Amino acid sequence: GAVVSQHPSWVICKSGTSVKIECRSLDFQATTMFWYRQFPKQSLMLMATSNEGSKATYEQGVEKDKFLINHASLTLSTLTVTSAHPEDSSFYICSATLPTFSYNEQFFGPGTRLTVL
Amino acid sequence: AQTVTQSQPEMSVQEAETVTLSCTYDTSESDYYLFWYKQPPSRQMILVIRQEAYKQQNATENRFSVNFQKAAKSFSLKISDSQLGDAAMYFCAYFGAAGNKLTFGGGTRVLVKP
Repeated sequence: GAVVSQHPSWVICKSGTSVKIECRSLDFQATTMFWYRQFPKQSLMLMATSNEGSKATYEQGVEKDKFLINHASLTLSTLTVTSAHPEDSSFYICSATLPTFSYNEQFFGPGTRLTVL
Repeated sequence: AQTVTQSQPEMSVQEAETVTLSCTYDTSESDYYLFWYKQPPSRQMILVIRQEAYKQQNATENRFSVNFQKAAKSFSLKISDSQLGDAAMYFCAYFGAAGNKLTFGGGTRVLVKP
């Protein structure tokens, strides 16, 4: 099956620093990657949609200058949390799509837990 | 915008018994897909079952089946012969061709009692 990896699986950083999270599709080329944020005991909230070679599309209320997304290749997308603050602490999940039949099935990465001190 | 509602924050079921999770959605689209995802304590999202809106037949995957009522915009998940490994958060999700993105419900936590 299609596998999506994320690195790192967890990260702790100091307030004011930037953190980069990688999302890779290991055995397929993903046309689109998605970034989600999940707070404890809550659902997944879509942050942005990323297409290879073009600018990401951010959901309403998500600061594009705060959460920088780069989709440099068909197998790699990165999310950089700039000038992180404790309120940015969360679980970040990426997914990648594989065009299948009439819809784009999404395959999810294992997530990255970010803690900002 | 599409919305997905799961009205049951938590459900408890005895091992080997059956539990049904509710999901309703709101959409003006005629062509869409509905999903149930499982998120165990590892937090890895796992696709449980998928339903295409144009198909009247309810989808089934082993012990998991859905009751899809298109007119009522209802999409419930039935877990039969519940096992300890079924304990997890379950999310209902909607994918419409127009939006090209998944919209998730708030989730239902399933507890399985041995």
